[in-house]
Amino acid sequence: SQQGEEDPQALSIQEGENATMNCSYKTSINNLQWYRQNSGRGLVHLILIRSNEREKHSGRLRVTLDTSKKSSSLLITASRAADTASYFCATDKVGSNYQLIWGAGTKLIIKP
Amino acid sequence: NAGVTQTPKFQVLKTGQSMTLQCAQDMNHNSMYWYRQDPGMGLRLIYYSASEGTTDKGEVPNGYNVSRLNKREFSLRLESAAPSQTSVYFCASSGGGQFRQYFGPGTRLTVT
Repeated sequence: SQQGEEDPQALSIQEGENATMNCSYKTSINNLQWYRQNSGRGLVHLILIRSNEREKHSGRLRVTLDTSKKSSSLLITASRAADTASYFCATDKVGSNYQLIWGAGTKLIIKP
Repeated sequence: NAGVTQTPKFQVLKTGQSMTLQCAQDMNHNSMYWYRQDPGMGLRLIYYSASEGTTDKGEVPNGYNVSRLNKREFSLRLESAAPSQTSVYFCASSGGGQFRQYFGPGTRLTVT
């Protein structure tokens, strides 16, 4: 079953604009991660935010977490063509140190 | 340092044929995973191995078997392939106290 659900399913913006993607989940978590997948490639880890954190930054990425609403957002500022990819959120499964539960992803297209 | 490697990259099978997907990691990680990715569905965990010598079922284990050959290698076997197993298969690993997972490039499998 899918724990995380990303919104929107697809997003197309102009280069230089900011892109925001959202992720909702259903059960309590210890942490939430965001990954990027370029077309036909494996996933690459972007950032992890723990349940006791509200916001985290990494370069042009900003992640927020609202555990009361069971939601997270990923903001990419000053987008570039190379940011074109699918973005997935993944939450840990409470009680398991190993299993992640994945959303269906947001497909981001950056138009030059 | 190759990270996570998978072979083969592409495979076409006929219904009923068997095959083994190979995965190896060189990061000395304890945990390894097999996922399948179907269009619009994100990743679903097939099997995982928390440490050498142990394997556990994930969300969609039916039709698959795994072997944790040693700390480096984790293989996935399809005993009698079915068209429903047409998918992209990813191997991943994690370790060193980190929750993030490192992914291989994937195997695109088509069962006709």
